[in-house]
Amino acid sequence: NAGVTQTPKFQVLKTGQSMTLQCAQDMNHEYMSWYRQDPGMGLRLIHYSVGAGITDQGEVPNGYNVSRSTTEDFPLRLLSAAPSQTSVYFCASSSRTSGRFRSYEQYFGPGTRLTVT
Amino acid sequence: GESVGLHLPTLSVQEGDNSIINCAYSNSASDYFIWYKQESGKGPQFIIDIRSNMDKRQGQRVTVLLNKTVKHLSLQIAATQPGDSAVYFCAETPPGDYKLSFGAGTTVTVRA
Repeated sequence: NAGVTQTPKFQVLKTGQSMTLQCAQDMNHEYMSWYRQDPGMGLRLIHYSVGAGITDQGEVPNGYNVSRSTTEDFPLRLLSAAPSQTSVYFCASSSRTSGRFRSYEQYFGPGTRLTVT
Repeated sequence: GESVGLHLPTLSVQEGDNSIINCAYSNSASDYFIWYKQESGKGPQFIIDIRSNMDKRQGQRVTVLLNKTVKHLSLQIAATQPGDSAVYFCAETPPGDYKLSFGAGTTVTVRA
């Protein structure tokens, strides 16, 4: 299994440009999420999905769109890039384990480093 | 809002010593906690997790302790090695929720 993959690894955008960050997982996980990580801060949740066709907003959703047409893919779209969106973006996926012990371990991708000038 | 946080942003440890990384959480309803390790330029990697009905859980060279009375979580790393140098995050989630709330992280540096 490749796990969680993200493309591109690096991207530079000009203010106002749009782009899509790709995320895919091959573990058949129902839950997928996008985080951004800024210096000195933890990960902040942007959007998440609990299954194909279902998405919801996280802590910092403004300026981003998502869709979940398949279990495997969860792209993040920047509609009109702003310098405040300069960050490292991580995609993660997880699956609710069966049995008594609930494990919500999230598997993270390698990240996309985005710079908006 | 309620959040999970770490006591110290940095920790310097001598190789071979034990490390203790602390985390305070404020949401008393949280019932699941998890520790992640993030090496430079990589995504966070799972270390260990614990439920709220447990006080302690052990893994390979790592132990997580949960004190619900004071809402405190700690990660102990035995015989710290250079490969343990990384940023460590604690995260929590309330019952029935997939979403994790992360603290700001502690940067651990191992001295040779």
